[in-house]
Amino acid sequence: GQQLNQSPQSMFIQEGEDVSMNCTSSSIFNTWLWYKQDPGEGPVLLIALYKAGELTSNGRLTAQFGITRKDSFLNISASIPSDVGIYFCQGGSEKLVFGKGTKLTVNP
Amino acid sequence: GAVVSQHPSWVICKSGTSVKIECRSLDFQATTMFWYRQFPKQSLMLMATSNEGSKATYEQGVEKDKFLINHASLTLSTLTVTSAHPEDSSFYICSASSSGTFPPYEQYFGPGTRLTVT
Repeated sequence: GQQLNQSPQSMFIQEGEDVSMNCTSSSIFNTWLWYKQDPGEGPVLLIALYKAGELTSNGRLTAQFGITRKDSFLNISASIPSDVGIYFCQGGSEKLVFGKGTKLTVNP
Repeated sequence: GAVVSQHPSWVICKSGTSVKIECRSLDFQATTMFWYRQFPKQSLMLMATSNEGSKATYEQGVEKDKFLINHASLTLSTLTVTSAHPEDSSFYICSASSSGTFPPYEQYFGPGTRLTVT
């Protein structure tokens, strides 16, 4: 079945640093979406990408849909403490597949 | 917009009893709702996909007789955990989509329900 490899599994950074995480797959997806989950809550949609090569920003967040349609990355610039949480990628095609998440810890 | 609610937010029940969890899309019509289970420090595991008015499609390994899903309207889906056992204790999250497994695939998640079976 379709699987997503999301990396890194966890990150520990200082406030103000930039963050980069990515998802890769052996399968092609039509859409890539990025979510953030705070502890004890449901994920919240951050960015949705619909076209290969697309680069989209949402505030300090930037995500790109890989040109091969098999990968995507999410960057967070100038991290702040409230960026703490787990970030999930999701590939969309006839199946919706989630990555295993990247746990981000930001030290003030 | 795109708000999804879940009720209850947490529930404690005794082994052998059944528990119903509600998922509502408050400001849009959800043709498709998804039910997920999440164990601590793990990713979301899709349990089933339900389309309004149809039987739910369960993922491999999920017991359909144990996890009953009803999607009776475009704004409400319910998950009933029947004859609950301690191993069913988990965080259950629903999501709603107006496009389902068709583009643009965006899902809006509820806040989750923490189930503890004693």
